[in-house]
Parts: sequence; structure tokens; C-alpha cells
Amino acid sequence: AQTVTQSQPEMSVQEAETVTLSCTYDTSENNYYLFWYKQPPSRQMILVIRQEAYKQQNATENRFSVNFQKAAKSFSLKISDSQLGDTAMYFCAFVLYGKLTFGQGTILTVHP
Amino acid sequence: EADIYQTPRYLVIGTGKKITLECSQTMGHDKMYWYQQDPGMELHLIHYSYGVNSTEKGDLSSESTVSRIRTEHFPLTLESARPSHTSQYLCASSEYGTFTYEQYFGPGTRLTVT
Repeated sequence: AQTVTQSQPEMSVQEAETVTLSCTYDTSENNYYLFWYKQPPSRQMILVIRQEAYKQQNATENRFSVNFQKAAKSFSLKISDSQLGDTAMYFCAFVLYGKLTFGQGTILTVHP
Repeated sequence: EADIYQTPRYLVIGTGKKITLECSQTMGHDKMYWYQQDPGMELHLIHYSYGVNSTEKGDLSSESTVSRIRTEHFPLTLESARPSHTSQYLCASSEYGTFTYEQYFGPGTRLTVT
């Protein structure tokens, strides 16, 4: 079975600064996907960024980028130029054959 | 935002009542899912469906049941609500056969059983 661990229950950052959210996972599989989802307060969960395990290049979506270390089974999310709208709970998810396993989540607060 | 809807958004109900949480999507997705999420905690898969007349139990045992009679509709039913059922229930859908496996989530139903 796959497990996903987010060791930071809460993080805070000043507006315009950079923050990194950590995620580690455990699997014996070789081909899988990793996602970061964002759940804003009282709003729908949306996909922030995805990474295919067979791709060595780290995924980037505008201000969001990942540091994917397959051997270390690490998948951190970096948010650059943080904005107030980035305040949300962030979930790391391991994806295998369409089934998602979520981490415990990290509550990120962006302060003005 | 994704075209997946859940009603009601909030429900407060007494113990022993039967409830149905509605979930509909207009994207034509074959796969649909129900997750249970306690406040500030991770999501746990309780039911999923690969298509019409297909339903499976997820990783977390749940007393709820689901049905999939139409592609776009995936309701969840609790025959007799209890305080232990108090939680947020999230519905999601994804397109079968894609390699991205992205799941689109509804806004959730926050259930309180008194």
C-alpha cells in the first residue's frame, strides 16, 4: 500500500515571499503520478500541479514548481511570490491507476 | 471551477434520519468518487464507481451506500444518521482512460448529525 506524509501541519509566509511545502511518499511502484491539490477555505479543491514519475524534469505552473526526487521519494511544492489568495490547505497526493492517496495536508497562511 | 455539483452544501440533521447527499457532474466522466474529510484532516476514499451500475467500496469503511444509475449522478445515502457520521463529504469525478488521472472535486457537503 502507498503512504503519503506531509510533516508540516501549518506554514505561514509573508506576501511576495517564497515558501516550500514538503511531501514524502512510500511505494514499490515505478510508474505513478504525484499531485498537489489546493483546498481554499469553503471552496472547491483544485489541482495545482502534477508530476509524472517517469519524467525527470520538475513540473512548473506559473508561480508553482515542484522538486521531485524519485530516489528519495520526495515531492515538495515551492510557491514563489506568494499571494493572499494562496491561503489554503494543500494536499500532496500519490496517484496509481487512478486511485489517489492523500497526505494529511498543510495549512498555508499568507500574511499581508 | 469544475462542473461538479453537490447538494446540500450544509446539512444539520437528527440522529436516526435517512439522508441522501447528491452529486452531479456535467463533464461526462465515467469515474466518480466519494471522500470523507474531517475538519483539517486528509481525505479518505469511501466509495467509487467506474461507470453506470458499477460501485465499489473505498479504503475507509463506511455505513453509507451509493448508486450509479446515470453517468452524471452519484448519490450517497445514509439510512440512519449518527453523530459519528458528522464530517465533510466530497464528491469527485475523472475521465476514464486518461493518463493524467486528474480528479475534479465538488464543493462538498458539510454534515452535522445531532
